[in-house]
Amino acid sequence: GESVGLHLPTLSVQEGDNSIINCAYSNSASDYFIWYKQESGKGPQFIIDIRSNMDKRQGQRVTVLLNKTVKHLSLQIAATQPGDSAVYFCAESYSGAGSYQLTFGKGTKLSVIP
Amino acid sequence: DGGITQSPKYLFRKEGQNVTLSCEQNLNHDAMYWYRQDPGQGLRLIYYSQIVNDFQKGDIAEGYSVSREKKESFPLTVTSAQKNPTAFYLCASSIPPDRYGYTFGSGTRLTVV
Repeated sequence: GESVGLHLPTLSVQEGDNSIINCAYSNSASDYFIWYKQESGKGPQFIIDIRSNMDKRQGQRVTVLLNKTVKHLSLQIAATQPGDSAVYFCAESYSGAGSYQLTFGKGTKLSVIP
Repeated sequence: DGGITQSPKYLFRKEGQNVTLSCEQNLNHDAMYWYRQDPGQGLRLIYYSQIVNDFQKGDIAEGYSVSREKKESFPLTVTSAQKNPTAFYLCASSIPPDRYGYTFGSGTRLTVV
C-alpha cells in the first residue's frame, strides 16, 4: 500500500516464508538501483544492486527484479528470519545527470512473526 | 577496518543554539552526503560534497551549513534558523562516479529540548 502521513507501508510475514517488497521508481532514465536495509536506530546497509541492463540479480537469500517497462523494482527475501525485520529502501540513480546521486524511496517496514 | 563514523549518537539542542554533527570516513571516498530522516519518511538530502573545499545544497539545505576542509571530514551544523531540527541525521560517502552505492554512518539523533 501507499504511505500516508507518518506511516510506512508495512509487510508482516511468518518466519520461514518468502517476502516480497516492492518499489516504484520515478525516473525512467535511471540505470542503477540499490536496495538498503535499515534496522531501528542504525544507518542503512547495502543489500543488493542491479543495473538497467539486467532484469534479475540474485544474492544470498535475496533476489532483485527490475521491470523497466512499468518502473518497478522488487526485493525477494527467501526463508525470512526474525533478523530480517527492518525498513527496506530502494534507491535509483541516473548516470546521465553527472552527479550520480541516489534518490531514495520512502521505505517499507518488514515485520517477521516468529 | 574502513568505515564512516558519526558522532555523537544522541544530541540535545536548546532553542536558539547551533550544534555541529561530526562525520568522519577513512574509506578514501571523494563524495560525502548529509541526509535527514523523519519518522515514516524517506531520506532527504541536505548537502553533498564531491570534492574537498566544494559542496552543494540538497533539497532541504535551509537552516543547515557544512564545510569540507579535509577529504575525511564533512561536519554539519544545524543552525538556529532550522525551525524543526528534531530528526535522525545520516552521513554517507561514495566514490563518484558512484556505481556501488553509498556507505552510511550509524546516524545522529538530534532532539530539541
